[in-house]
Amino acid sequence: DIQMTQSPSTLSASVGDRVTITCRASQSVSGWLAWYQQKPGKAPKVLIYMTSNLESGVPSRFSGSGSGTEFTLTISSLQPDDFATYYCQHYDTYSFIFTFGPGTKVDIK
Amino acid sequence: QLQLQESGSGLVKPSQTLSLTCAVSGGSISSGEYSWSWIRQPPGKGLEWIGYIHYDESTYYNPSLQSRVTISADRSKTQFSLKMSSVTAADTAVYYCARISSLRMDVWGQGTTVTVSS
Repeated sequence: DIQMTQSPSTLSASVGDRVTITCRASQSVSGWLAWYQQKPGKAPKVLIYMTSNLESGVPSRFSGSGSGTEFTLTISSLQPDDFATYYCQHYDTYSFIFTFGPGTKVDIK
Repeated sequence: QLQLQESGSGLVKPSQTLSLTCAVSGGSISSGEYSWSWIRQPPGKGLEWIGYIHYDESTYYNPSLQSRVTISADRSKTQFSLKMSSVTAADTAVYYCARISSLRMDVWGQGTTVTVSS
C-alpha cells in the first residue's frame, strides 16, 4: 500500500507569512492528490483537487503543485482564518484506495 | 444544495456492530458522477478513510478494516449506510460521510460521534 507522509507536523507562522506544506508518497503516484483544511470540531473542507485545481469558493492564496512522490500546498499570505490542520489525500487508481496524510497543524507564532 | 447528515448508534458495546446511516438531501445517490464514502477520526487524531460505494453499488474498503466493514445504499430512501462488526475501543471516533467527486471528497456531513464502551 502507498503511504503518505506530511511535513512539518506542526508549523508556527504569522499572519502574512508564506506557508508551504509538503506531502510525500512512499512511491511515485498519479496526480489524484487533494488537500483539505479542518478546524476543531468541524468537518474537513476540500481546498485543492487533482494536485493543483482550486476548489470553487476557495481563496486564490491557496495553491497546490507537485508530481511523482512530492506534492505541496502553499498559502501565499497566511490569514487569521487559515489557522487549522491540513491533510493531503491520495487516490490509488490501481487499488481503488484513498489514503490521507497524517496532517499538518498550522498555529499562531 | 446537497446536504449529508449522519445518524445512528452513538454508544456501542465492545464486540457488537456499529451501524450508521447518511441521509442525502438535495441530490440523488444514483448519479454516475459520484461515489459515497465514510471516513472517521479518532479523538485527537487524523482522518482515516473507511470505504466507499459507487453508483453501480460496487464497494471498496480500507484493507485494514475490510473484514469488518460493509457499506450499502438504499436509493429509494436516498441514503447509504455503514456497518462495522466486532468493534473495540479503537473504533471510538467521529464518523463522517462524504460525497466523492473527481476523486476528492467535496461535500461532507457534520459528523457523528461513536463511542465504544461497555
